[in-house]
Amino acid sequence: EPEVTQTPSHQVTQMGQEVILRCVPISNHLYFYWYRQILGQKVEFLVSFYNNEISEKSEIFDDQFSVERPDGSNFTLKIRSTKLEDSAMYFCASQPVRREAFFGQGTRLTVV
Amino acid sequence: EDQVTQSPEALRLQEGESSSLNCSYTVSGLRGLFWYRQDPGKGPEFLFTLYSAGEEKEKERLKATLTKKESFLHITAPKPEDSATYLCAVQAPGQAGTALIFGKGTTLSVSS
Repeated sequence: EPEVTQTPSHQVTQMGQEVILRCVPISNHLYFYWYRQILGQKVEFLVSFYNNEISEKSEIFDDQFSVERPDGSNFTLKIRSTKLEDSAMYFCASQPVRREAFFGQGTRLTVV
Repeated sequence: EDQVTQSPEALRLQEGESSSLNCSYTVSGLRGLFWYRQDPGKGPEFLFTLYSAGEEKEKERLKATLTKKESFLHITAPKPEDSATYLCAVQAPGQAGTALIFGKGTTLSVSS
């Protein structure tokens, strides 16, 4: 069964460093998302992406964040200058038309 | 503001002891209500989508129902492998690819 693949599974970074989280969505899906989950808290929406552009973003998704689909298969989330409060699980999801979203296993980001 | 509230936060059951989880929502025009299962350190795994009041869906020991203000996830004769966090999420009206708004989840523990 196809699945959403995320790499790395765990990333440790110094505060102020840039990180790129990578995702390979399920092929033929059209909508792509990033969500995050701070330990012990709810899953929060960051951004959705459709037709090679951002279709919706939350207040969390400020100028420090960017997304890209560089080669038609990968979908990346970049955090330019990480802060301690960016430590969380980051989930990528993809969705076909008129169906539910499928989530990846997540990348645990630890900012030290 | 669109909101999702799940109760109880935690539930402990004996194997075979049936119960229900609650998800209350306030959203201006519901596009869909979703139930996901999340195991520790993993991404959400899709269970059900409900679209309109009165709708019901079943899968093995799980049954989801929907009213105009809440949804229930009924667990019949649970087994230890049903232990997980169950997440409820709503999708507001809008174009396809609209964000999911999650509740905090109910953590279910089933002991043998």
